Amino acid sequence: GNSVTQMEGPVTLSEEAFLTINCTYTATGYPSLFWYVQYPGEGLQLLLKATKADDKGSNKGFEATYRKETTSFHLEKGSVQVSDSAVYFCALKSDFGNEKLTFGTGTRLTIIP
Amino acid sequence: GAGVSQSPSNKVTEKGKDVELRCDPISGHTALYWYRQSLGQGLEFLIYFQGNSAPDKSGLPSDRFSAERTGGSVSTLTIQRTQQEDSAVYLCASGSPGTGGEKLFFGSGTQLSVL
Repeated sequence: GNSVTQMEGPVTLSEEAFLTINCTYTATGYPSLFWYVQYPGEGLQLLLKATKADDKGSNKGFEATYRKETTSFHLEKGSVQVSDSAVYFCALKSDFGNEKLTFGTGTRLTIIP
Repeated sequence: GAGVSQSPSNKVTEKGKDVELRCDPISGHTALYWYRQSLGQGLEFLIYFQGNSAPDKSGLPSDRFSAERTGGSVSTLTIQRTQQEDSAVYLCASGSPGTGGEKLFFGSGTQLSVL
């Protein structure tokens, strides 16, 4: 079945550091890939997505590229801010029928000033 | 409303009691999910409804858990004979599959505390 493996957390970085949160997946077919974010005290929300190989999703300075050859969708940001502190979830949705959206376990990110 | 609405926002119950959690999805969304999030933990998938298809119940942790979705809209998650390990935030999300992949909208959750 489909699965998502995320970088174990928690991750703590200093402000303006470079961020990478690794995500790899196992899926049949050609899934769509997502990053969701949960800020403290808020609900989960979509951060970015990519629907086919080599697509790059981007939002709020974050980027992730759909790499089919390595089955990866790593999240990156060049210079993190304190306001980026949150829990980040990688997810995939198979293109087969009624397959559900599958989430990774989440990575807690803390940015210190 | 404009978003996914869940009620109650908080529920405190005694061990052994039954509870019902309600989710009002965004109008027109065919997909509806229930997840559970324990303190500091990731998302645990519970159940997935998609249109008129049979629900994917593969994530329900025991037969004390059940969910229904009436008329393709409102959903109720029922937990019978609650246990302390059921304490968590129960999240509902809705979405519509289509081109560009499925985007889910999450409710604020129901914080369940079993004493």
